[in-house]
Amino acid sequence: GQQVMQIPQYQHVQEGEDFTTYCNSSTTLSNIQWYKQRPGGHPVFLIQLVKSGEVKKQKRLTFQFGEAKKNSSLHITATQTTDVGTYFCAGDNAGNMLTFGGGTRLMVKP
Amino acid sequence: DAGVIQSPRHEVTEMGQEVTLRCKPISGHNSLFWYRQTMMRGLELLIYFNNNVPIDDSGMPEDRFSAKMPNASFSTLKIQPSEPRDSAVYFCASSRGGPQHFGDGTRLSIL
Repeated sequence: GQQVMQIPQYQHVQEGEDFTTYCNSSTTLSNIQWYKQRPGGHPVFLIQLVKSGEVKKQKRLTFQFGEAKKNSSLHITATQTTDVGTYFCAGDNAGNMLTFGGGTRLMVKP
Repeated sequence: DAGVIQSPRHEVTEMGQEVTLRCKPISGHNSLFWYRQTMMRGLELLIYFNNNVPIDDSGMPEDRFSAKMPNASFSTLKIQPSEPRDSAVYFCASSRGGPQHFGDGTRLSIL
């Protein structure tokens, strides 16, 4: 079955430093979605990427979808304490079901 | 607009007891998903309903787990009998085929 791997598992950064999490799927995806889960909370949808090579930005967050539609990344510029949480990628292979990566837990030191 | 509503928020019970988790999806959403989240296994899809029909239940761990969706506004996930290894946070999510909207989850502890 489809597998989605995400690295790193954890990342500690100093406030103001950049952060990147990488996502890799074992199969070609129809689209990829990114979610953020705050400690004690539930996953919240951030963005969906559909096109090969697509790049989307949300303020300090930049999302990329690979040319082969098998990998993706999320980059946060100048992290803030409000960025703390676990970031999940989730691959959709056109069956409407998502396979979630293991998540990257981001911790930000003020 | 109300989001996905799950109940109870917390459940603590002894092993062997029946546990029923409930979910009310967002009105108008035709897809409903049950997930289980643990530190060891991450976020796992248990079962997916589309238009109230179970489409994929390959993630359901074993026969002790069952899920129903009697109508478009209600779903249940039942564990009978429960075991300590079932302790986890159970999320329900709904969608209209795009982004999924998650409920606050049920934190289940089986003693």
